[in-house]
Amino acid sequence: ETGVTQTPRHLVMGMTNKKSLKCEQHLGHNAMYWYKQSAKKPLELMFVYNFKEQTENNSVPSRFSPECPNSSHLFLHLHTLQPEDSALYLCASSQMGQGNTEAFFGQGTRLTVV
Amino acid sequence: AQSVTQPDIHITVSEGASLELRCNYSYGATPYLFWYVQSPGQGLQLLLKYFSGDTLVQGIKGFEAEFKRSQSSFNLRKPSVHWSDAAEYFCAVGAESNYQLIWGAGTKLIIKP
Repeated sequence: ETGVTQTPRHLVMGMTNKKSLKCEQHLGHNAMYWYKQSAKKPLELMFVYNFKEQTENNSVPSRFSPECPNSSHLFLHLHTLQPEDSALYLCASSQMGQGNTEAFFGQGTRLTVV
Repeated sequence: AQSVTQPDIHITVSEGASLELRCNYSYGATPYLFWYVQSPGQGLQLLLKYFSGDTLVQGIKGFEAEFKRSQSSFNLRKPSVHWSDAAEYFCAVGAESNYQLIWGAGTKLIIKP
């Protein structure tokens, strides 16, 4: 496989459920990101991991919990979500430290909270 | 404040017509500029980027963009659109030392047959 792969592609969950989103990158990058994409709003950066260390947490509610076990894998653990959390969640990766901030994106997970 | 503005939420053009999507930015440092495209149900794909040098950059799928520092703009153009170009287009700005991109809200391109 190549690029950035996200699973599942679609997820419907109740507000009391616990689920996880998975992202895997095969590009050898050292940074990974979670973004939230809601209709008619700019992309919202949620979390950034650089060399497996979380370097950014943009005021994301604690019901979203990221995990980065190595530089190729990134998870987003979800619990007690709200209907307004329904959105497309995008994972991305890039190579930091070389003056090139180009990000490569996965296809996203369409999350619906009911 | 740093920001990216894409003034057009929707644009409709006829197939074969030319296209220009606008992007204006406000950024304190030397900007790195990007255009991404998102087809329905898909992630974002990089169309082109500007880091330095020639201010007219060529991208994939026949797209080009021109960086105009005096106007703080980075407009995307294509001389003749195809129905497959129907998608949402996002402009983003970053910096060499800042890996966080600032994104515009996107422009949805609709192609009339």
